[in-house]
Amino acid sequence: QSALTQPPSVSGSPGQSVTISCTGTNSDVGSYNRVSWYQQPPGTAPKLMIYAVSNRPSGVPDRFSGSKSGNTASLTISGLQAEDEADYYCSSYTSSSTYVFGSGTKVTVL
Amino acid sequence: QVQLQESGPGLVKPSQTLSLTCSVSGGSISSGDYYWNWIRQPPGKGLEWIGNIHYRGSTFYNPSLKSRVTISVDTSKNQFSLNLSSVTAADTAVYYCARVLNWNSRFDCWGQGTLVTVSS
Repeated sequence: QSALTQPPSVSGSPGQSVTISCTGTNSDVGSYNRVSWYQQPPGTAPKLMIYAVSNRPSGVPDRFSGSKSGNTASLTISGLQAEDEADYYCSSYTSSSTYVFGSGTKVTVL
Repeated sequence: QVQLQESGPGLVKPSQTLSLTCSVSGGSISSGDYYWNWIRQPPGKGLEWIGNIHYRGSTFYNPSLKSRVTISVDTSKNQFSLNLSSVTAADTAVYYCARVLNWNSRFDCWGQGTLVTVSS
């Protein structure tokens, strides 16, 4: 199974919005609403930010939102803050009952 | 609150078997709602899902690693383990254990990760 495709990097100024795409196939992203997003600052374990495409766990700011269209899921960070600078990964359940992660996107706050 | 902790050797020789254990505290590994996972991250690279196990013993593996991976569970110790055979330098990575909620596939609890280096 191939990694889901994400842009290597995105950047924005404080207060702006950035969107990260996550493109898969009709065997994973396109077939299930079981896409999650994870934030990983350097040297730390990933943290769940969005699950089931668009749901936020308690404690995650509402600046983080998720969506999906066809084989592509997206994570949007609105009102970008310095603390949002990190790597972000998507993941999806697959038709083989396995999981696949995205290639990762580095978010830089200018 | 559930916590996961990886343990095992930090250095493994090429061609040998990498063995790690994940200890679960603050909750039972025998909850039917979850699968217990191993995920790895080579230095400077992205996350790779290795495989998972349910407490009843059913397993799923990444097809690219399936021939070398075995994941097992010990409910009496509230632990699950990873064995990866015939390792090479390409298997050098931080290895994470994590819990995934079965019905919506969210990895909601992660260990801190442990670096395993494959080198002679």
